[in-house]
Amino acid sequence: DIVMTQTPLSSPVTLGQPASISCRSSQSLADRDGNTYLSWLHQRPGQPPRLLIYMISHRFSGVPDRFSGSGAGTDFTLQISRVEAEDVGVYYCMQGTQFPITFGPGTKVDIK
Amino acid sequence: VQLVESGGGLVQPGGSLRLSCAGSGFTLRISWMAWVRQAPGKGLEWVANIKPDGDETDYVDSVKGRFIVSRDNAKNSLYLQMNNLRAEDTALYYCVRGSIGAYDIWGQGTMVTVSS
Repeated sequence: DIVMTQTPLSSPVTLGQPASISCRSSQSLADRDGNTYLSWLHQRPGQPPRLLIYMISHRFSGVPDRFSGSGAGTDFTLQISRVEAEDVGVYYCMQGTQFPITFGPGTKVDIK
Repeated sequence: VQLVESGGGLVQPGGSLRLSCAGSGFTLRISWMAWVRQAPGKGLEWVANIKPDGDETDYVDSVKGRFIVSRDNAKNSLYLQMNNLRAEDTALYYCVRGSIGAYDIWGQGTMVTVSS
């Protein structure tokens, strides 16, 4: 199974400042079809997760452009250019390259 | 575009439950579908996947032989039959749509509690 790790696990951030979350996989997420199925989800308290980024860097429909994803192989990053109050919650990375599908442990983002 | 789960509840260890998920606003019959669960206060765990035509399924090891995922495309519905339930199956179960290697539509979830 592919193990996903995230750092940090907790991130107090200042409104208007940037934030960054790292995700690492235990093996390359590059698929035989040439794509890398690494996505990012955001879960607000009491809500289901929602998709932010798919295939490393593609923003899902309706996601603000302050969110961006980057990386390759086994190392990936989610960046928020300027944190807003609605960005609090838990962020998960997920690999969809190989079964079983696996998620990172989550990074809790809150406001300082 | 939405997914609505139902069928959760309180069940004793060793018991069974069948979860249902109704999709609307999109063509479920051409979509990969899955179940993802979240134990109280914990992270996300993928449970099962099913191809659009239903002829291929995958499961996390912990539920193999106990859970069965199925679908009825004519009814825009997804199901999860859960047998021989254990305390560690207690979780909020989400129905999700798979697209381009990600899960882009999530239901609100249905809670399953396994306890005597």
